[in-house]
Amino acid sequence: EAQVTQNPRYLITVTGKKLTVTCSQNMNHEYMSWYRQDPGLGLRQIYYSMNVEVTDKGDVPEGYKVSRKEKRNFPLILESPSPNQTSLYFCASAPIQDGNSPLHFGNGTRLTVT
Amino acid sequence: AQSVTQPDIHITVSEGASLELRCNYSYGATPYLFWYVQSPGQGLQLLLKYFSGDTLVQGIKGFEAEFKRSQSSFNLRKPSVHWSDAAEYFCAVGAGTASKLTFGTGTRLQVTL
Repeated sequence: EAQVTQNPRYLITVTGKKLTVTCSQNMNHEYMSWYRQDPGLGLRQIYYSMNVEVTDKGDVPEGYKVSRKEKRNFPLILESPSPNQTSLYFCASAPIQDGNSPLHFGNGTRLTVT
Repeated sequence: AQSVTQPDIHITVSEGASLELRCNYSYGATPYLFWYVQSPGQGLQLLLKYFSGDTLVQGIKGFEAEFKRSQSSFNLRKPSVHWSDAAEYFCAVGAGTASKLTFGTGTRLQVTL
């Protein structure tokens, strides 16, 4: 089954403790992206990747890192999480983000930072 | 810069009633427009998209949307809502060659029986 898989689904952590949220897709998509969803703000893009070893900042990249060493994986790294990073995170992929390729989303990771 | 406005944060309709969710966009050229639906605990699923051609587009689950360039709108409609349509709906606009999709803030739909 074609899918985007995020892990974990739920994560509670403390301020400053490094964490990684994994994202994997099995559709051989070039484009991958991370979003955070907050009430009243919709989805905001954190980072995206056009292909292996090619990443770029989205609208809200501060406090996050990503890597794209393999085509299928695009982990989101929080080196020193803070409470304002408490949010619902989504990973998404597309064959080529040329404007009309729909995104395929994972089921989300709800992160709480205390 | 592109932007999307969904003026209704929350809408409640009765099952069987018609539905229209509003979406207004700002973009300098012909936009690529999308509607996504997010069911509780799920990721976003594409309902329909528009980038050229017929301005009335049909999507999954009986939804349709109409692109009106003069009004910069891309409203989502459904003639008869089912209880399973209760979800959050997001409108999004994409640029032709960019790698970013700009989402609206979403409209939460509640369906009463």
